[in-house]
Amino acid sequence: QKEVEQNSGPLSVPEGAIASLNCTYSDRGSQSFFWYRQYSGKSPELIMSIYSNGDKEDGRFTAQLNKASQYVSLLIRDSQPSDSATYLCAVRTGAGSYQLTFGKGTKLSVIP
Amino acid sequence: NAGVTQTPKFQVLKTGQSMTLQCAQDMNHNSMYWYRQDPGMGLRLIYYSASEGTTDKGEVPNGYNVSRLNKREFSLRLESAAPSQTSVYFCASRDRGYEQYFGPGTRLTVT
Repeated sequence: QKEVEQNSGPLSVPEGAIASLNCTYSDRGSQSFFWYRQYSGKSPELIMSIYSNGDKEDGRFTAQLNKASQYVSLLIRDSQPSDSATYLCAVRTGAGSYQLTFGKGTKLSVIP
Repeated sequence: NAGVTQTPKFQVLKTGQSMTLQCAQDMNHNSMYWYRQDPGMGLRLIYYSASEGTTDKGEVPNGYNVSRLNKREFSLRLESAAPSQTSVYFCASRDRGYEQYFGPGTRLTVT
């Protein structure tokens, strides 16, 4: 069973702080990693993808991947109330696989 | 570009009724997916189509059928709806880089 685990939260951070979201996965053969943001009642929206070890930055978002430890994280700098949402981690397992396995998501609340 | 579109947005069915959920994408993507999302269960893959003319089962295919009508369209059919199929259904399509893009969803209630 290929599993993707996330702390369900809620994670509460004050406005302007750094929010840190974590995800671990069980399959060492996992190839690609994604973070989606989902507002209540809306569909998941892709915000970051990362394919190799290290950090990838896009605006206020930084994705970090450590394949040896089998975790991927998302940092949100200068958190805003508009960042309040559920963040889903998704993992593509195995070369040639077209499927993603999703974690259950972490709910983030940014307090003004 | 509309991206991924789904119809209907909301539907209420009685147990035993059938219906088809429609999905279309205008991004020229080869692969398309159907997921369901339930509280506490996360997103689970029902069926997917890696390319036009092919379909494969995902994690929770029982009670569903799919049709890849052409490159743009991928439909999900419930032949005999059950209360356990009450859920939010999302269609997604995939570009070459394995990133999936989601439609707005269909909220289905089976009574």
